[in-house]
Amino acid sequence: DVKVTQSSRYLVKRTGEKVFLECVQDMDHENMFWYRQDPGLGLRLIYFSYDVKMKEKGDIPEGYSVSREKKERFSLILESASTNQTSMYLCASRTGLSYNEQFFGPGTRLTVL
Amino acid sequence: DAKTTQPTSMDCAEGRAANLPCNHSTISGNEYVYWYRQIHSQGPQYIIHGLKNNETNEMASLIITEDRKSSTLILPHATLRDTAVYYCIVRVSGDDKIIFGKGTRLHILP
Repeated sequence: DVKVTQSSRYLVKRTGEKVFLECVQDMDHENMFWYRQDPGLGLRLIYFSYDVKMKEKGDIPEGYSVSREKKERFSLILESASTNQTSMYLCASRTGLSYNEQFFGPGTRLTVL
Repeated sequence: DAKTTQPTSMDCAEGRAANLPCNHSTISGNEYVYWYRQIHSQGPQYIIHGLKNNETNEMASLIITEDRKSSTLILPHATLRDTAVYYCIVRVSGDDKIIFGKGTRLHILP
């Protein structure tokens, strides 16, 4: 089974802090994604990566950056956390075949005070 | 915006088949139908997907109408662990923007 793990299930940070969210997948998938999920807004794509050291902006990249130094690991960075970044953050991965499904991690619920 | 319409909620008795409908009347010829579910406080879980033909896997069956304007996800023997929000999604192969609509909240009744 594909396993996508995220470093924390729950995280509480203060405004202005730098926040790192880590995601690791164990199936040698080329593609990895970061989403945030908010009530009433559904799932929104923040950044994605098709290969090591590659990154592409999604729909809402402002305030975020990403890092993919190794194939299995995709990190989301909040440079200076703000209260409007309080959300559920979901990481996903899939193979290079574009019609294939994405496999999601358990999510990190981030609260910024 | 989501391109699909689903009922807001449904109930199903434990052990019975759960049939979840989805309308996607504006689907294009190159768009696939995907189903995911999300159990409370967990990440979405992939269930099944298809293009034209009916599909079956160990979790569920997907029935797509001949005109492809609607589909039904069938959980053959629902259990309490199937209680979740079920999302029907259409997307073009190569488009990684998964747009989740409101989904159907499925309650499995003991």
